[in-house]
Amino acid sequence: NAGVMQNPRHLVRRRGQEARLRCSPMKGHSHVYWYRQLPEEGLKFMVYLQKENIIDESGMPKERFSAEFPKEGPSILRIQQVVRGDSAAYFCASSPPRGSTDTQYFGPGTRLTVL
Amino acid sequence: AQTVTQSQPEMSVQEAETVTLSCTYDTSESDYYLFWYKQPPSRQMILVIRQEAYKQQNATENRFSVNFQKAAKSFSLKISDSQLGDAAMYFCAYRSTSGTYKYIFGTGTRLKVLA
Repeated sequence: NAGVMQNPRHLVRRRGQEARLRCSPMKGHSHVYWYRQLPEEGLKFMVYLQKENIIDESGMPKERFSAEFPKEGPSILRIQQVVRGDSAAYFCASSPPRGSTDTQYFGPGTRLTVL
Repeated sequence: AQTVTQSQPEMSVQEAETVTLSCTYDTSESDYYLFWYKQPPSRQMILVIRQEAYKQQNATENRFSVNFQKAAKSFSLKISDSQLGDAAMYFCAYRSTSGTYKYIFGTGTRLKVLA
């Protein structure tokens, strides 16, 4: 059973470009969480999604950031018009349907560098 | 709102010795989960151990054990017989049993293992 997959592992963008980060949850997992880790800091929650629904986006910046988890395909975290402050590691975690487990399984992360 | 505090930015331990990493948290909830994650240089988040707050018995996983003091809101990690491969960042995390199950992470402790 493959773990949580994220791609790309490394992404370099220039200021003003768009960044698209992909997350494929573990098989059977229908819940996806996105976290951001700034340099030398812990992970901070951004958004929680289920298939076709955003459940909690309280940690997501109000502008330029969006997330989706379509019925088919991976979850996408999209950052428009990137700025240097967006440089960070972005982690995706997945879990099975609520109530069946208390643990989130993390992907390897995408390291975004904005030049 | 819940908070997690790791007051030791960096710790060192001699190989084969024992080290304890501290974590305190603040919450008004009575039921919750606590976790320790390891993040080696690869940046992959690896679950080390978890504790359910309603269980008084401290969790153990091989060389890793916790000292869970619910009244004091303290959740320390003890690593016995330290190995070079234990060198990493260690993050303490809190998860509620209600709401969206998002994790709240501390800022981490960098553990160095000296040969």
